[in-house]
Amino acid sequence: RKEVEQDPGPFNVPEGATVAFNCTYSNSASQSFFWYRQDCRKEPKLLMSVYSSGNEDGRFTAQLNRASQYISLLIRDSKLSDSATYLCVKGYGGSQGNLIFGKGTKLSVKP
Amino acid sequence: EAQVTQNPRYLITVTGKKLTVTCSQNMNHEYMSWYRQDPGLGLRQIYYSMNVEVTDKGDVPEGYKVSRKEKRNFPLILESPSPNQTSLYFCASSAADRRNGYTFGSGTRLTVV
Repeated sequence: RKEVEQDPGPFNVPEGATVAFNCTYSNSASQSFFWYRQDCRKEPKLLMSVYSSGNEDGRFTAQLNRASQYISLLIRDSKLSDSATYLCVKGYGGSQGNLIFGKGTKLSVKP
Repeated sequence: EAQVTQNPRYLITVTGKKLTVTCSQNMNHEYMSWYRQDPGLGLRQIYYSMNVEVTDKGDVPEGYKVSRKEKRNFPLILESPSPNQTSLYFCASSAADRRNGYTFGSGTRLTVV
């Protein structure tokens, strides 16, 4: 069974804090990985694709460790608007068209 | 505006009454997919399509049908809905290289009584 596992949280952090989420996956054949965020009762929205070399987008940094089969998301200088559920996603199957979502990690940033 | 449009947003129906949830995208994406989201279970893929007339099962295809006759449309069909199909459904689309991930529709909240 191909799976993606995340700590469900919640992570309660003050504004300005740095927070890190980890996600482990079980199928080493997976080639594509993503982080999505989902606000309550809304659709998931792509936050970042995750590449082998790691990538950064403003306050967000994603890392992929294939040897240990985990990916991470680091959020620096947390904002109130970062409060959401963060979903770890991997692609597999024919041309990586099939996606497996983690159950999400809930983040709450407090003033 | 680039978007994925699902209809209806909300639907309450009775057991056994066939229904279709429509999904349309205006980005000329090759990939389209349907998910359901349930508390404690997260998002699970129902079916996906890599192009016109090419579909494949996801993790939870039982009780659902799909078709991809045109590139922009990917309807989800429930031939005989049952209460365990009460859920929040999302349609999503992506370009073939998936560099920008999947774009999701706003969701359809289905209740089967």
